[in-house]
Amino acid sequence: GAVVSQHPSRVICKSGTSVKIECRSLDFQATTMFWYRQFPKKSLMLMATSNEGSKATYEQGVEKDKFLINHASLTLSTLTVTSAHPEDSSFYICSANSGSSWEQYFGPGTRLTVT
Amino acid sequence: AQSVSQHNHHVILSEAASLELGCNYSYGGTVNLFWYVQYPGQHLQLLLKYFSGDPLVKGIKGFEAEFIKSKFSFNLRKPSVQWSDTAEYFCAVRRLTGGGNKLTFGTGTQLKVEL
Repeated sequence: GAVVSQHPSRVICKSGTSVKIECRSLDFQATTMFWYRQFPKKSLMLMATSNEGSKATYEQGVEKDKFLINHASLTLSTLTVTSAHPEDSSFYICSANSGSSWEQYFGPGTRLTVT
Repeated sequence: AQSVSQHNHHVILSEAASLELGCNYSYGGTVNLFWYVQYPGQHLQLLLKYFSGDPLVKGIKGFEAEFIKSKFSFNLRKPSVQWSDTAEYFCAVRRLTGGGNKLTFGTGTQLKVEL
């Protein structure tokens, strides 16, 4: 089956620093990748959709200058949280799908803690 | 705005009890419906999906869900739960008109099955 990995699984950073999270499709080419944020006791909220080789499409209310998304290859997308603050602490999940397939395959998530 | 509601946030059952988790959505157009499961420490996995046809769909691990269009509902059921079903369950909706391949998730239901 299709496998999506995320790295790191957990990261702690200091307020004001930037942190990069990687999302990789291991056994398929991901034409589209999605980035979600999950708050405790809350739903997964879609942050942005990225298509390989083009700019990401951000959901309303998501600051594109704060959450930089790059999808430079068919197997890798990165989310960089710039100038992180404690309120950015959350669980970030990526998913990927291929071509015209409807199915999204989810990564295991990255727990970000900003101190 | 489209929303997905899961009314049960926490459910505790004994093994062999029957399970029904509610899911309602607010969008009036054509939708695809999904249930995902997230076992402790693991990534989201697809349990089952409804696209069209028979409104009663069967998924993995003995789960099934029924789409009732008039009630905008897609409730998840299992006749007899097992301890290994302890997990968080998410209902999700994909809008077919203007929604791209984006999923809107419910807030999730934490199921705990006791021995």
